[in-house]
Amino acid sequence: DVKVTQSSRYLVKRTGEKVFLECVQDMDHENMFWYRQDPGLGLRLIYFSYDVKMKEKGDIPEGYSVSREKKERFSLILESASTNQTSMYLCASSSPVEVGTETQYFGPGTRLLVL
Amino acid sequence: GEDVEQSLFLSVREGDSSVINCTYTDSSSTYLYWYKQEPGAGLQLLTYIFSNMDMKQDQRLTVLLNKKDKHLSLRIADTQTGDSAIYFCAESPHGGATNKLIFGTGTLLAVQP
Repeated sequence: DVKVTQSSRYLVKRTGEKVFLECVQDMDHENMFWYRQDPGLGLRLIYFSYDVKMKEKGDIPEGYSVSREKKERFSLILESASTNQTSMYLCASSSPVEVGTETQYFGPGTRLLVL
Repeated sequence: GEDVEQSLFLSVREGDSSVINCTYTDSSSTYLYWYKQEPGAGLQLLTYIFSNMDMKQDQRLTVLLNKKDKHLSLRIADTQTGDSAIYFCAESPHGGATNKLIFGTGTLLAVQP
């Protein structure tokens, strides 16, 4: 089974802090994604990466950056956390060679509270 | 642009059938997906259907696809309290060329005992 893990289930940070959210997958997937989930808005794509050191902006990249130095690890960075970044953050991975090529596998999520 | 719409809430009684509906906009989507999210957890893939199929059945789950109307539904037979969750449909736009999925807002299914 594909396993996607996220470094924290819950995080509490203060406004202005730099925040790192880590995601690791163990299935050698090329594609990795960061979403945020807010009530009534569903999942919104922040950034994705289709290879090491490659990244593409999603629908809501403002206030975020990402890093992919190794294939299995994709980090989301909040350079200066703000209260409107309080949300549930979900990481996912996929491989273009799998049946159902865009099937994404999700981590358990990180619930971030910015005070 | 791409958009996926779902109703926000559905309440059913245990043992009844649940039908969750979804409409999408991109007619070139190759696969359409249903994901389930239990409280406090990530999304779990339930099932998917290839765009040239009308129906797919998997135990208690039946997926119906009306490609002409761009309408997707998920039927859960004999709904149980353990089925209470948020259900997301998703499309793969542009024939899957972007490797991205577009998710709906999710439907909260509440199963009453």
